[in-house]
Amino acid sequence: SYELTQPPSVSLSPGQTASITCSGDKLGAKYACWYQQKSGQSPVLVIYQNYKRPSGIPERFSGSHSGNTATLTISGTQAMDEADYYCQAWDTSSVLFGGGTKLTVL
Amino acid sequence: QVQLQESGPGLVKPSETLSLTCLVSGGSINNYYWSWIRQAPGKGLEWIGYIFYMGSTHYNPSLKNRITISLDTSKKQFSLKLSSLTAADTAMYYCARTIAVAGTFAFDLWGQGTLVTVSS
Repeated sequence: SYELTQPPSVSLSPGQTASITCSGDKLGAKYACWYQQKSGQSPVLVIYQNYKRPSGIPERFSGSHSGNTATLTISGTQAMDEADYYCQAWDTSSVLFGGGTKLTVL
Repeated sequence: QVQLQESGPGLVKPSETLSLTCLVSGGSINNYYWSWIRQAPGKGLEWIGYIFYMGSTHYNPSLKNRITISLDTSKKQFSLKLSSLTAADTAMYYCARTIAVAGTFAFDLWGQGTLVTVSS
């Protein structure tokens, strides 16, 4: 079955740039979305259609897509960005989520 | 602004059918897809299925035989029925507004979730 693979964790210091990847066969032919889920809260859409930001999402969040890998980049990471991040794509018959990446801001 | 609110029993018995409802307030139910998504404790997200405001549905193939999603536009709510429950169905259940963009889907608004525990 089709899967989206994310690194389990990413750690960095405040002010650094975080890059979270999402890879999958044929992902290059699909659009990726990204969600932020802070502890005890519902997910929030931060990127859709590979790179578009919904209203209200800070500009430090950006998305890109190259080959079979989508990347969420958080520039100038802040303590408030500490959360789980999930990628998501549509695959013919089903919505798929990646396993999630825990971003820790040290 | 638009808000989603899930409701339903917090505890259900194995083999029974779970019924959840999502109330849409502050906006229209028209022109959108509406989804159910769940998250087992400490685990990732799993899409359950969606219903279009005109009534068509699409379900996760892995759950398809146990799911029914319905819509009541007059009450601005949509519902999930999940049958033959097991402990593996214990999860936080979210409803979400779903946008269709360029042939794909994104969940741009989520409810706060309702925790469902399957136990005798």
